[in-house]
Formats: sequence, C-alpha cells, structure tokens
Amino acid sequence: DAKTTQPTSMDCAEGRAANLPCNHSTISGNEYVYWYRQIHSQGPQYIIHGLKNNETNEMASLIITEDRKSSTLILPHATLRDTAVYYCIVGLGQAGTALIFGKGTTLSVSS
Amino acid sequence: GAVVSQHPSRVICKSGTSVKIECRSLDFQATTMFWYRQFPKQSLMLMATSNEGSKATYEQGVEKDKFLINHASLTLSTLTVTSAHPEDSSFYICSASSNSLNTEAFFGQGTRLTVV
Repeated sequence: DAKTTQPTSMDCAEGRAANLPCNHSTISGNEYVYWYRQIHSQGPQYIIHGLKNNETNEMASLIITEDRKSSTLILPHATLRDTAVYYCIVGLGQAGTALIFGKGTTLSVSS
Repeated sequence: GAVVSQHPSRVICKSGTSVKIECRSLDFQATTMFWYRQFPKQSLMLMATSNEGSKATYEQGVEKDKFLINHASLTLSTLTVTSAHPEDSSFYICSASSNSLNTEAFFGQGTRLTVV
C-alpha cells in the first residue's frame, strides 16, 4: 500500500506558484520522498526526490519538514502544461525496489 | 534523465489472441524492470518485478501464466498478454532502474491495449 496521503485535487492560476502537499507520517529513516507526474495517457515523469534536505532542480523545489513526516512540491511558475496528476511516493531508492503509487493529486492550471 | 521506450504505444487485438509489449532502456543497463497496469481514472498498479536473467516476481492477484514477462537482456523486457480478453484492456507501463543510476526509476510512455 502507498504510504502517502495527498489531496485529491488542486487548482492553480497560470504564472502562480503551485504548492502540492504530501503527508508521509510513517516514513522510515532510509526512505526517500519522490515526486512524479503523469500527463494524460503518458507514462509518469520524474520530477524530484529528496531524503532530508530541501532540493531544487530546473522543474521544481521539494521542501521536506524536519521530522520528515510531510513534504511540499513547489512549481514556482505554473503553466498550462503543468496540468497533470502528481504523485508523492516514499521508497528505499534501491534499484530492485518498485515504486508504489497512491492516488495522487490532480493539479489543474488555468489561465 | 535516462530514456525508457515502450512499443507499441497503442494496440488493438481480438479476444483470444496474444499481444507482446516491449520495454527498452535506451541509454543505460536496466538491472530491474517493473510492469504496471493502469485502469481509467485509477493509479498505477504494480504487476511484476523482473531482474535480468531471472524469473519475474508477480504481485498478488496477477496471473503469471496470463502475463508472461521476459527480461533476457539488460536493455529489454517484454510483457506478453496471453489469450487476451476485453477486461485486459488497460494502459500498461514499464519502468526501469539500474544500480549505476541515481535512486530514481524511469518510465516508458505506456501502451494502450484494447481487446475487442
């Protein structure tokens, strides 16, 4: 079973920051937090991942609370093309371990 | 990031026939590949995990004789849906990971199977 809880849906205006929360209160010390997104009828796209520290890349920022029980994915300037289902996943980060998907958050970006 | 390619992207087949879906890692050696299935408006469900040169490990409720998985090389895994029925119609997605990569896995673009 997925170890994360996310809101079912969120709306965001184009150009504004999209902040997507995720709860993972049972995360273990050696588990990473991964974020993927899935645009309709495509395979999931990797966004970012982190263990303890906040992370930033060209797509997004990941803020992980100090107790690691929750995190927030930030898309700094959302565009229409960011409309997708966003999945927050907790995993060991080992090559032989599958990612288990929850229901995700459907983000709708509108103009 | 690393590239994983699936083929075909869409396939329509008749009931009772078999369909093979290919998953290739294009620029890395995938020590492990995973197969998922996704029904409309639902999340991805893990079907099986396959390591190169070994038999696949199937999740509970997934029939190994119906969904044949072969991972004969470090760059190719195949999923064959045997004796397909309309209820097998779904979006099938593979992902691949490698000991030589960072911790993230990479996904193919998915295959839409329709059984008529």
